[in-house]
Amino acid sequence: DSGVTQTPKHLITATGQRVTLRCSPRSGDLSVYWYQQSLDQGLQFLIQYYNGEERAKGNILERFSAQQFPDLHSELNLSSLELGDSALYFCASSHSGSSSGEQFFGPGTRLTVL
Amino acid sequence: AQKVTQAQTEISVVEKEDVTLDCVYETRDTTYYLFWYKQPPSGELVFLIRRNSFDEQNEISGRYSWNFQKSTSSFNFTITASQVVDSAVYFCALSESYNTDKLIFGTGTRLQVFP
Repeated sequence: DSGVTQTPKHLITATGQRVTLRCSPRSGDLSVYWYQQSLDQGLQFLIQYYNGEERAKGNILERFSAQQFPDLHSELNLSSLELGDSALYFCASSHSGSSSGEQFFGPGTRLTVL
Repeated sequence: AQKVTQAQTEISVVEKEDVTLDCVYETRDTTYYLFWYKQPPSGELVFLIRRNSFDEQNEISGRYSWNFQKSTSSFNFTITASQVVDSAVYFCALSESYNTDKLIFGTGTRLQVFP
């Protein structure tokens, strides 16, 4: 158990809908990362937050947004969902966010868009 | 641009064989970090190792060993005496150290170990 929690574990929804994925980092970790794992794109970095502020952005679609709250949990919002958004979404956390320490990954949220 | 290449898509071995998973990286940074993660069939990502660009010493942890060669930009992973429980997808990853340590992953190598 990495100490990173993600909810829900599975999510099935329809095209055009909006969903919110939630992540709680390990106790004491200030940085949260979101990654998407899909069959065609592999494991891709989406976005990073550090202590409530956006630190880095990757290949994140404009339909997707994220935020980190004062209690350090993070949410990833996916809207106007398309079939191609079906993927495993991972959240990871680390203490500092810039010293390339180990990132601890949550179990992932599997999103299926029908 | 940073890039990680894992040319081996899938490897199949029989138990007790040794197997090496290749990883080649590209970066313009002089300071960077390399990682290996394991993704078993259950789906979670398990951290295996982290090396920084200034430490080229090989590392051994039980049946696992890693060979980091800056001259060839490679960070290969060897499993000695493989076991069925080693069956998983293995990812090599790279991170820069300035401002963000987001991970750039390779495409992964699926290892199947047969009894």
